[in-house]
Amino acid sequence: GAVVSQHPSWVICKSGTSVKIECRSLDFQATTMFWYRQFPKQSLMLMATSNEGSKATYEQGVEKDKFLINHASLTLSTLTVTSAHPEDSSFYICSVTDRGSDTQYFGPGTRLTVL
Amino acid sequence: KQEVTQIPAALSVPEGENLVLNCSFTDSAIYNLQWFRQDPGKGLTSLLLIQSSQREQTSGRLNASLDKSSGRSTLYIAASQPGDSATYLCAAPYSGGGADGLTFGKGTHLIIQP
Repeated sequence: GAVVSQHPSWVICKSGTSVKIECRSLDFQATTMFWYRQFPKQSLMLMATSNEGSKATYEQGVEKDKFLINHASLTLSTLTVTSAHPEDSSFYICSVTDRGSDTQYFGPGTRLTVL
Repeated sequence: KQEVTQIPAALSVPEGENLVLNCSFTDSAIYNLQWFRQDPGKGLTSLLLIQSSQREQTSGRLNASLDKSSGRSTLYIAASQPGDSATYLCAAPYSGGGADGLTFGKGTHLIIQP
């Protein structure tokens, strides 16, 4: 299967700071990547669809000005949590779709803790 | 909007047993359905993907079935092992399309007792 990396794997920051999370597709070029978050004991929830060369599509209830997504190349999408607050503490996971098989492959996730 | 439900929420069985995890979804106009495994604090590992034209897929000791008409999928694990302990997630495309994000169930937390 495809290999997807995320960086950093974990981050602790103070309230009010911004945090950037990178998602890289290592095996193939991905025109579309997805960002999810998972709160403790909850399932994954789709936040946004990252489209290479165009604006991201956000799900209802996700603030686009708070969660900035940039998909500048076919192998890299970044999620920036701006002015992070404790309620943004979560596990953020990205995925890419192998269009040949329609299989989604997920990164290892980034654990964000906002103090 | 797609909704996915998984039953049971948790399951603990002795090693060696065969078991079935259940998943139901509300929008049957899906292109595929995918099963994942998640270990604590980790990302997701894709186990099986069933296309809408298929009724089942097999990989080793795992077998997943799909019944679109009834909105159900099952994951069958044969001869369970302690290493199978994890949370198993069922996911269907958000609005049915093959290039969509996924809607996940809350998962079945599986413990295989040695």
